[in-house]
Amino acid sequence: AQSVSQHNHHVILSEAASLELGCNYSYGGTVNLFWYVQYPGQHLQLLLKYFSGDPLVKGIKGFEAEFIKSKFSFNLRKPSVQWSDTAEYFCAVTRGPGSNDYKLSFGAGTTVTVRA
Amino acid sequence: DAEITQSPRHKITETGRQVTLACHQTWNHNNMFWYRQDLGHGLRLIHYSYGVHDTNKGEVSDGYSVSRSNTEDLPLTLESAASSQTSVYFCASSESGTGGAKNIQYFGAGTRLSVL
Repeated sequence: AQSVSQHNHHVILSEAASLELGCNYSYGGTVNLFWYVQYPGQHLQLLLKYFSGDPLVKGIKGFEAEFIKSKFSFNLRKPSVQWSDTAEYFCAVTRGPGSNDYKLSFGAGTTVTVRA
Repeated sequence: DAEITQSPRHKITETGRQVTLACHQTWNHNNMFWYRQDLGHGLRLIHYSYGVHDTNKGEVSDGYSVSRSNTEDLPLTLESAASSQTSVYFCASSESGTGGAKNIQYFGAGTRLSVL
């Protein structure tokens, strides 16, 4: 089974600072990659996804992520954070096209706190 | 709009009692999943189902069971609740078939369970 590692457990930033969250996965085949966000007290929402094609994907609220296949990484970035970006962020992976395995493997999550 | 509903949102129970958490989706998705969310562990898969009458164990299935009698519902049962099962439980659903978009999982609002 694939595993997912998120490098930062808790990140504290000031508004307007840049954010980068690291994510690495262990599966050697083709994968589908996701970032989910969980705002305080809410359920998980899809932030962005990568299936194929351009390795730089853009999601909602100004977030983007870059898939680097050689590094098995899918890092999340935002150039300038806002207080409303305070949330927990999860990286997740499933096996890619052709697989009948639809299970998501999640990283442990990164708590992002943005100070006003 | 299609949605995924979990009930109850909060539950307090006693050790040894049987507890059932409900999950109902109107997406008409074949795939349904149950996760538990604990600090430092992210989301861990408990059980999943790829269709009616199909159920499978996830990585933390001990003490839990599910049944799938129709497309819409996947109730999670704790046979004899233990304090270690105090957690937040999330249900999710997704389509099946080829194509990355079918791997996107949609989450319910969660059930916070306390076992005393």
